[in-house]
Amino acid sequence: EPEVTQTPSHQVTQMGQEVILRCVPISNHLYFYWYRQILGQKVEFLVSFYNNEISEKSEIFDDQFSVERPDGSNFTLKIRSTKLEDSAMYFCASSDTFYNSPLHFGNGTRLTVT
Amino acid sequence: AQKVTQAQTEISVVEKEDVTLDCVYETRDTTYYLFWYKQPPSGELVFLIRRNSFDEQNEISGRYSWNFQKSTSSFNFTITASQVVDSAVYFCALKAAGNKLTFGGGTRVLVKP
Repeated sequence: EPEVTQTPSHQVTQMGQEVILRCVPISNHLYFYWYRQILGQKVEFLVSFYNNEISEKSEIFDDQFSVERPDGSNFTLKIRSTKLEDSAMYFCASSDTFYNSPLHFGNGTRLTVT
Repeated sequence: AQKVTQAQTEISVVEKEDVTLDCVYETRDTTYYLFWYKQPPSGELVFLIRRNSFDEQNEISGRYSWNFQKSTSSFNFTITASQVVDSAVYFCALKAAGNKLTFGGGTRVLVKP
């Protein structure tokens, strides 16, 4: 069964550094998402992306964050000038064009900011 | 705005007991979709079921069953004859206008042998 893949599985960075989290969505899916989950808390929506542009974003997704689909397969989340509170599990997800389709999630990237 | 509430933060049962997870949602949209996801200790999010707002039929899949009641805005999930492998955090989620999935806070299920 096709799946969403995320790399790396764990990223450690120092405060103030930039990180790029990478995702390869399911190949025939057209909607892409980033969510994050601070340890022990709920899964929070960050951004959705369709047709090479952001379709919706949350208040968490401020100027520190950006997303890009640099080629036909990758979908990236860039976090500039990381802060301690950015430490979380970041999940990439994708869905096909249908409104009712479930999101398929990757295994996540655990980001630790020290 | 959409909201999902899972009032139970943690449930502990002994193997073979049944366990029911509550989910209450809020939305002004008449068309919406409800989902359950499982997050095992390894951390990934696994899709379990989808239900649309026009289909109130209950569903059973093996030891899992779901009870959707529009009148009470609830979409409850029951695990029958629980097993240790069912130990996980279970999230209820709602998709209404737009494509965003809104998650509840999750219920941690601990099944003891």
